[in-house]
Amino acid sequence: AQKVTQAQTEISVVEKEDVTLDCVYETRDTTYYLFWYKQPPSGELVFLIRRNSFDEQNEISGRYSWNFQKSTSSFNFTITASQVVDSAVYFCALSEVENTGGFKTIFGAGTRLFVKA
Amino acid sequence: NAGVTQTPKFQVLKTGQSMTLQCAQDMNHEYMSWYRQDPGMGLRLIHYSVGAGITDQGEVPNGYNVSRSTTEDFPLRLLSAAPSQTSVYFCASSPRGASEQYFGPGTRLTVT
Repeated sequence: AQKVTQAQTEISVVEKEDVTLDCVYETRDTTYYLFWYKQPPSGELVFLIRRNSFDEQNEISGRYSWNFQKSTSSFNFTITASQVVDSAVYFCALSEVENTGGFKTIFGAGTRLFVKA
Repeated sequence: NAGVTQTPKFQVLKTGQSMTLQCAQDMNHEYMSWYRQDPGMGLRLIHYSVGAGITDQGEVPNGYNVSRSTTEDFPLRLLSAAPSQTSVYFCASSPRGASEQYFGPGTRLTVT
């Protein structure tokens, strides 16, 4: 069965610090997809990144970077030089194929990040 | 495009009442899903649909019904509301099953 674990419930940093949000997943499939979403205090959910199981290349987008390691079933998210606007809840998610042929997406419990000025 | 819309934004129900949470998308997406968000538990999948006429259960389907008669609409029905269903409900859609999801603004439901 699929499972996503975000062991860090809350993280607090001071502006300009780097911070890494951990995500560990479990899946029986060889084909699966991993995601990160951001939920700012306003409550909407915003897509950040999607990665398929065959692409282990790390990705960088501005101050954001993602490290995907199949050997440890981890998909960690690093924010470099954090800013107050990064304060949000961040969710890691996993999609895998069901017997019906459809995809089911499961989310982790989320990590709440506080960035203090 | 309006994206994913949800109505109502807020709702208070008494135990035992029924209601339907509405969700609509205008992006012609095949996949639609309902999640509930509770403190410390993240988003949990209630039901999802891979296309009109096809639905399946998620992690926490008990107490909820869905149907998908059109591509655009995916209503969530609570047949007999219970206090344990107090939560924020999000509807989402995606063009394909493994692509990113677009979320609605959420419905905050309180059952007393």
